[in-house]
Amino acid sequence: EAAVTQSPRNKVAVTGGKVTLSCNQTNNHNNMYWYRQDTGHGLRLIHYSYGAGSTEKGDIPDGYKASRPSQENFSLILELATPSQTSVYFCASGRDNNQAPLFGEGTRLSVL
Amino acid sequence: GDSVTQTEGPVTLSEGTSLTVNCSYETKQYPTLFWYVQYPGEGPQLLFKVPKANEKGSNRGFEATYNKEATSFHLQKASVQESDSAVYYCALGPPNSAGNKLTFGIGTRVLVRP
Repeated sequence: EAAVTQSPRNKVAVTGGKVTLSCNQTNNHNNMYWYRQDTGHGLRLIHYSYGAGSTEKGDIPDGYKASRPSQENFSLILELATPSQTSVYFCASGRDNNQAPLFGEGTRLSVL
Repeated sequence: GDSVTQTEGPVTLSEGTSLTVNCSYETKQYPTLFWYVQYPGEGPQLLFKVPKANEKGSNRGFEATYNKEATSFHLQKASVQESDSAVYYCALGPPNSAGNKLTFGIGTRVLVRP
């Protein structure tokens, strides 16, 4: 069964610290995405990738970097975390442009 | 840019009554439209998608018609159950575009009382 696994599920970070959120899929999907979910904003796209080695900016990329070292793994990196980045982050994957993204269960990040 | 506007929640209703969640969109393209549902503690999951105007999508008793003229994609269910309590997201995706990036609405929380 297709699945997207995120780790950690919960994270508390300090302001100015570095945070890495990880995402793994064994579905052999080419496309992967990182979204954040906030009340009043819904889901907003941060970064996405078409395949290993590629990363693209989404709608709200400022303050975030992404890394796609392999087909299976896609990381979101906060080099200098700020309280405004407190949110729930979702990773998703999709086989191709015609497939609706499949979401993971989310990572709740609190930056204090 | 693309945008999606949907009913502000929470929407509270009793079991057995009908549900409508309004969704309207703005885009210069000819999009594919989606409804996702998110249960507590889980990620959003696809309810259904409709790639063509004037077609209807449906799943689990929910349905929505892609109305290109009105730029709307309202979600309806004739008789809700307590298990339908969730957050519902309307979204659009550009056609034939690499990456299939989706633009989501703010989500509508639906609470169904027994």
